[in-house]
Amino acid sequence: DTEVTQTPKHLVMGMTNKKSLKCEQHMGHRAMYWYKQKAKKPPELMFVYSYEKLSINESVPSRFSPECPNSSLLNLHLHALQPEDSALYLCASSQDLISGSYEQYFGPGTRLTVT
Amino acid sequence: GQSLEQPSEVTAVEGAIVQINCTYQTSGFYGLSWYQQHDGGAPTFLSYNGLDGLEETGRFSSFLSRSDSYGYLLLQELQMKDSASYFCAVSNNQGGKLIFGQGTELSVKP
Repeated sequence: DTEVTQTPKHLVMGMTNKKSLKCEQHMGHRAMYWYKQKAKKPPELMFVYSYEKLSINESVPSRFSPECPNSSLLNLHLHALQPEDSALYLCASSQDLISGSYEQYFGPGTRLTVT
Repeated sequence: GQSLEQPSEVTAVEGAIVQINCTYQTSGFYGLSWYQQHDGGAPTFLSYNGLDGLEETGRFSSFLSRSDSYGYLLLQELQMKDSASYFCAVSNNQGGKLIFGQGTELSVKP
């Protein structure tokens, strides 16, 4: 299984809602990532987890809260988002941080719209 | 800081060869990767160069010159399905962190 899955595929939420994005991989990878991608722009790193511990937080606003409950799962909890947070949210994984420096496996993303 | 430059658009015809260049500035440079992303799809890993020289994977090759802070992706025998965005990405000594260029949109015409 070389797949990273993400749910939901699409999400529309109001600015006062709380929602969560989920990501799962069964490749035995020990590093997992959240990226944000706007249309016609590159993926921007948000968070990196290594062995279920937060390794990098790219100064992301606290309305985004990541969680890594186990080595296969990565969540992104959303609260009080702004319309400018509307984007494609991509999850990725890699064997470890070293291999993540070149080869990451991306999921299909969750397309988020904040109204 | 870190910065990468690549052309925003490239157009080529089926069967042709196209080269997408990438210049970068980063401290603690580790390597240069290339990713492909079709419209509405996920980025997929194509190639990586950690050392100077050419890496070949089927129709795709990638080159790196560390002294020139420059690399390129070469796509041969272009096919319509190669129409996509191509991103170069640098990594440094901060493990797991990939910084992506702005992307090059490749259009392959019949």
